[in-house]
Amino acid sequence: GENVEQHPSTLSVQEGDSAVIKCTYSDSASNYFPWYKQELGKRPQLIIDIRSNVGEKKDQRIAVTLNKTAKHFSLHITETQPEDSAVYFCAASRDTGFQKLVFGTGTRLLVSP
Amino acid sequence: DAGVIQSPRHEVTEMGQEVTLRCKPISGHNSLFWYRQTMMRGLELLIYFNNNVPIDDSGMPEDRFSAKMPNASFSTLKIQPSEPRDSAVYFCASTWDSQGNQPQHFGDGTRLSIL
Repeated sequence: GENVEQHPSTLSVQEGDSAVIKCTYSDSASNYFPWYKQELGKRPQLIIDIRSNVGEKKDQRIAVTLNKTAKHFSLHITETQPEDSAVYFCAASRDTGFQKLVFGTGTRLLVSP
Repeated sequence: DAGVIQSPRHEVTEMGQEVTLRCKPISGHNSLFWYRQTMMRGLELLIYFNNNVPIDDSGMPEDRFSAKMPNASFSTLKIQPSEPRDSAVYFCASTWDSQGNQPQHFGDGTRLSIL
């Protein structure tokens, strides 16, 4: 089955810096890759997702890149703000059959003012 | 538009008691997922339904756990008997699972504490 590894487990940056979180997956048939943000005590919320027919997707300060050959994808946050502090989860699933997301272990991002 | 609704938000009970968690998916969604989140194990998929039918329950930890989806707007996750190691946050999520993957929308979760 699919296995998703996520690094780093914690990441501390200064406000205004960029943050990068990386994930690798094992199932070459996976082709849907969402990212979720979870604030303390709250539910995971989708912030961006990418499908395998594109290599990069941007939404304001957030971007995701995908390298299918190497089986890894990354989340990039530019101009970080204190409200970006949260736990970020990557996930992967196949595009066929029933969707079953496999989540990474999460990255705790702390943005200091 | 209401999101995924879970109840109760918090549950504290003594070990050995039966616990029932409830979930109402987003109207029109046909796939429903139950997850468990702990510090040690992260976010684990327990079971998921498509069109009210259980598709994969391989994540259900043991026979003490059971889940049902009697109709498109309601699902339950039951633990009987409960144990302290079942303490976790349980999330329900739903999506419209068509030919391609669609985002899963999570409820606010039930924080379960078994004493």
